[in-house]
Amino acid sequence: QKEVEQNSGPLSVPEGAIASLNCTYSDRGSQSFFWYRQYSGKSPELIMFIYSNGDKEDGRFTAQLNKASQYVSLLIRDSQPSDSATYLCAVIRGTALIFGKGTTLSVSS
Amino acid sequence: DGGITQSPKYLFRKEGQNVTLSCEQNLNHDAMYWYRQDPGQGLRLIYYSQIVNDFQKGDIAEGYSVSREKKESFPLTVTSAQKNPTAFYLCASRIQGATEAFFGQGTRLTVV
Repeated sequence: QKEVEQNSGPLSVPEGAIASLNCTYSDRGSQSFFWYRQYSGKSPELIMFIYSNGDKEDGRFTAQLNKASQYVSLLIRDSQPSDSATYLCAVIRGTALIFGKGTTLSVSS
Repeated sequence: DGGITQSPKYLFRKEGQNVTLSCEQNLNHDAMYWYRQDPGQGLRLIYYSQIVNDFQKGDIAEGYSVSREKKESFPLTVTSAQKNPTAFYLCASRIQGATEAFFGQGTRLTVV
């Protein structure tokens, strides 16, 4: 089992819809979880981080963490064409930051 | 401005050559990382360092080497032993603890 798993997609949603991105992790001891957005040819930029079970909201973005199920998700409300990018899930393993392969999101206008 | 600077942005390497990618940060971060990204793939960890003069292998360290002589600098050498070095290389840094990492703009390495 890979350490951080994401469905590579592409995930296609119409403008204004909710996009749901999912990530599972294998190390039950993981404490910190991050979502990054990466546009083609660019470096990743942080969208959200979450440490505690439950939901964390920031504008149109909501991160959800369920440590019992080893599952973290990112919801994007009112999706915009500018949200079209690859979304990377990352967890801390010891002192290293480990990434999944990313999910490509396409928002059509 | 505080940030992470990678250079060069584009780099071309001939077969059998060693090349060094530069990464400098002025964020006073303790930890620095090197990742490799292939088309359609996520980031794979090459090497990381928590303090000066100490570093650890990541998941794909073979064919690469690093040094950490200064807190601000973490150069990556791609050696001739790396058989498929063409990729996008990203450097990142963060404060120790459960904090996020900040990335440089990346270096795109191509073997010619």
